[in-house]
Amino acid sequence: QPVLTQPTSLSASPGASARFTCTLRSGINVGTYRIYWYQQKPGSLPRYLLRYKSDSDKQQGSGVPSRFSGSKDASTNAGLLLISGLQSEDEADYYCAIWYSSTNWVFGGGTKLTVL
Amino acid sequence: QVQLVQSGAEVKKPGASVKVSCKASGYTFTGYYMHWVRQAPGQGLEWMGWINPNSGGTNYAQKFQGWVTMTRDTSISTAYMELSRLRSDDTAVYYCARSVSSSSSMDVWGKGTTVTVSS
Repeated sequence: QPVLTQPTSLSASPGASARFTCTLRSGINVGTYRIYWYQQKPGSLPRYLLRYKSDSDKQQGSGVPSRFSGSKDASTNAGLLLISGLQSEDEADYYCAIWYSSTNWVFGGGTKLTVL
Repeated sequence: QVQLVQSGAEVKKPGASVKVSCKASGYTFTGYYMHWVRQAPGQGLEWMGWINPNSGGTNYAQKFQGWVTMTRDTSISTAYMELSRLRSDDTAVYYCARSVSSSSSMDVWGKGTTVTVSS
């Protein structure tokens, strides 16, 4: 079972909200990790969006609009990325990542967002 | 402005080695870690490891240990990633990305270097 699991795809309408999940493997407690989120538009390099551990430990990437936000769902052991007011330019792949066991970075498989 | 400029595309035969460079500008090179992340065609991101340009210390993902070498030349603010014994499934875009510490966000990325392994 992968360390981080993301749904392969998500679709939403312009102006709506999108909720991305990043589920940590059983036995890895989401509460102890900072969850990092990256956006990658087609044919482009990844872009750092934000990190979230708690409301008192979070960071927005430089120039990232406030309609991108992070959260957690302890009941499902998942980190969340929320995008409100979806725009066509938000179509991209979204990756979560954690600094795992203080030794290495692990990325989720990514979720492709379609805005239709 | 802060930039990471990577070397150009490479085509290699199986079993060969490739060395990709990443030249930093606009910031103090030795003040940030440099990561290498690869992305196979149509696939996700895979972290390979990092180098601390200040000390030269490295930390490689277990998968790449014994197979990847990360170095740096502080005189020209450039990091290097060399991958040996290439196979066809090493065909990917290789990115460098900086972070202020080993465990912090990768906030600036290079544009990537395409490495194609084909006989």
